[in-house]
Amino acid sequence: QVQLQESGPGLVKPSQTLSLTCSVSGDSISSSSDYWSWIRQPAGKGLEWIGRVYPSGSTNYNPSLKSRVTISVDTSKNQFSLKLNSVTAADTAVYYCARDYSGTQDPWGQGILVTVSS
Amino acid sequence: SYELTQPPSVSVSPGQTASITCSGDKLGDKYACWYQQKPGQSPVVVIYQDKKRPSGIPERFSGFNSGNTATLTISGTQAMDEADYYCQTWDSSSYVFGTGTKVTVL
Repeated sequence: QVQLQESGPGLVKPSQTLSLTCSVSGDSISSSSDYWSWIRQPAGKGLEWIGRVYPSGSTNYNPSLKSRVTISVDTSKNQFSLKLNSVTAADTAVYYCARDYSGTQDPWGQGILVTVSS
Repeated sequence: SYELTQPPSVSVSPGQTASITCSGDKLGDKYACWYQQKPGQSPVVVIYQDKKRPSGIPERFSGFNSGNTATLTISGTQAMDEADYYCQTWDSSSYVFGTGTKVTVL
């Protein structure tokens, strides 16, 4: 059974870079034919897809965030990562990682709250 | 950019049928999926590829997608189905989520 776990700082200062890692267990990223996605959700609001990465390193990004986002994969560690630069308070949210297959995200990690504040 | 619109809320009595719509331009030409999110929990997919149910999802959840509207139907709604529901599709190399619907079981 695939499980995902997000990790990283819970507090980031404005204008700095948000960096998160998703650790995958129960499946090998390098041998999978699936993508791996990041999604976020501000408190009390809806879901926003950020982007995804394929084991080869190929990526797709949400056009509204593309200029600030980098998603990468480290198959040796069975992890994939998110970097979001020039953050503002509007980037405060719960960030989720998820496996992406058959046009859906399943399963999801438990999520990590990232607050942007000085 | 592509948009998916859902009603903010739907109310249903226990045992009755709840229908949640998701509207988008020519949505029927794309695949749609649906997520259930309960308070404090991560979303869980309940329908994918328009009408397929993942293992472990009760048969009372069903999906349909045609024209400009995808619909999630919950038959014989139970108190445990009270949650937020989001539709999602893929357009122009990007996923798009719907605005979300809060289902209340009265």
